[in-house]
Parts: sequence; C-alpha cells; structure tokens
Amino acid sequence: GESVGLHLPTLSVQEGDNSIINCAYSNSASDYFIWYKQESGKGPQFIIDIRSNMDKRQGQRVTVLLNKTVKHLSLQIAATQPGDSAVYFCAEKEQNFVFGPGTRLSVLP
Amino acid sequence: ETGVTQTPRHLVMGMTNKKSLKCEQHLGHNAMYWYKQSAKKPLELMFVYSLEERVENNSVPSRFSPECPNSSHLFLHLHTLQPEDSALYLCASSQDRPFLSLAGGIYNEQFFGPGTRLTVL
Repeated sequence: GESVGLHLPTLSVQEGDNSIINCAYSNSASDYFIWYKQESGKGPQFIIDIRSNMDKRQGQRVTVLLNKTVKHLSLQIAATQPGDSAVYFCAEKEQNFVFGPGTRLSVLP
Repeated sequence: ETGVTQTPRHLVMGMTNKKSLKCEQHLGHNAMYWYKQSAKKPLELMFVYSLEERVENNSVPSRFSPECPNSSHLFLHLHTLQPEDSALYLCASSQDRPFLSLAGGIYNEQFFGPGTRLTVL
C-alpha cells in the first residue's frame, strides 16, 4: 500500500559527542555534492560542499567525506550542540540537484 | 534570514480554487527556483528561471504555472490542484544557474526561503 510518509532515519547523540550522518547517492556521474540542514519551519540551509575530485573537506565543526567507489557521502559534526538538531540531507548535482530524503538529528542534553 | 521571502507562509485551498505563491529575493541573484517538499518524497526541483527565462521544467503538471516578471520576483500560480499536491513549496535563488567555478569550491550556492505550507482539501 501507499506509505504514510517518508520515514526519516533518526540519529540521537549526546550533546558534546560527534555525529556522523550518511548518504548514499545514485549517480556515478555526479560531480558536486552539498549537505543541507533544515530546521523545523525553515527552508534548507547550506552547510558544506565537496567536488568529486576531493575525498574530504573540512569546515567549522563539520567535515564531509566522499567515497566515490561506493557512492557514499558522510557528514561529521564535531562536539554536537542542541542547535544542531535538524534534518540533514545531501544533494548531488549532475545538471540540477537531486536531494536525498534526509536524516533527523536529535541532540540529547 | 536568508534574503529570500515567501508569502503566504500557509495556504489552504479547495480543488477548484486559484491561488498564487509569491517569492522575492533581495540578494541580486539571477536564478530562481521552485521546489516541492512533500511528506512522501525528498525535495523535488520543479522550475528553474535564469535571467527571467524558464530554463527547466521538471515534468510538472500544467496546474502549476510559474511566472518570473523580473529577476527579484517569482510566482507559482495554482489552479485545480489535487490533495496530493499538498506540500511545502520552497523558493530558492542563486547568483547564476549552478555550475562549478574553474577554481573549485563553493559556487552558486542556493539560498532558500522559508516555504509556503500548502494544503489542498
């Protein structure tokens, strides 16, 4: 039957711990990837990007890892804070962007 | 605040109604986008406008009709919608259409508005 809605995987982490959010992408020709954060009631917000000729890129408290062999992207958040609670999703670009369903990150006090 | 505003924030309409969603960007960008985010699917690109010209239409039904009168404004005209069209409709803008700079790195980041939550009864 028809699903009620997207069942987003949920990741619960303790405040201060590191978070790792994973994304499997579909198109081996995709050459650019972005991680977005979407808080409740808001539009998506850019976090970090990576090109296909790189395998790692670091930002402030965030790191993106790209494994082209298995078409896998991950987002690592260091010292997770309550304000990091949101849905995180990846996007791959070939011509236009294709978005993943997302993972809900819940930060426990 | 991302510099992209959308009105209304919430809209409830019947299947025979005609309504319009409005998006305005204050960033001086040349490209604007409509996305649909529903409970059942990931974010989906609907339309892309670059310099007020529609450059992408992702097989969207004709009951959705976009309009871009200038580079700062984007409308989505709705008529005879179906209940399955209920979703969050997001507008975004970027400096130009997405492409990678020769030097690499971030380019043409899309800035999203807060969305319009549409319910079709």
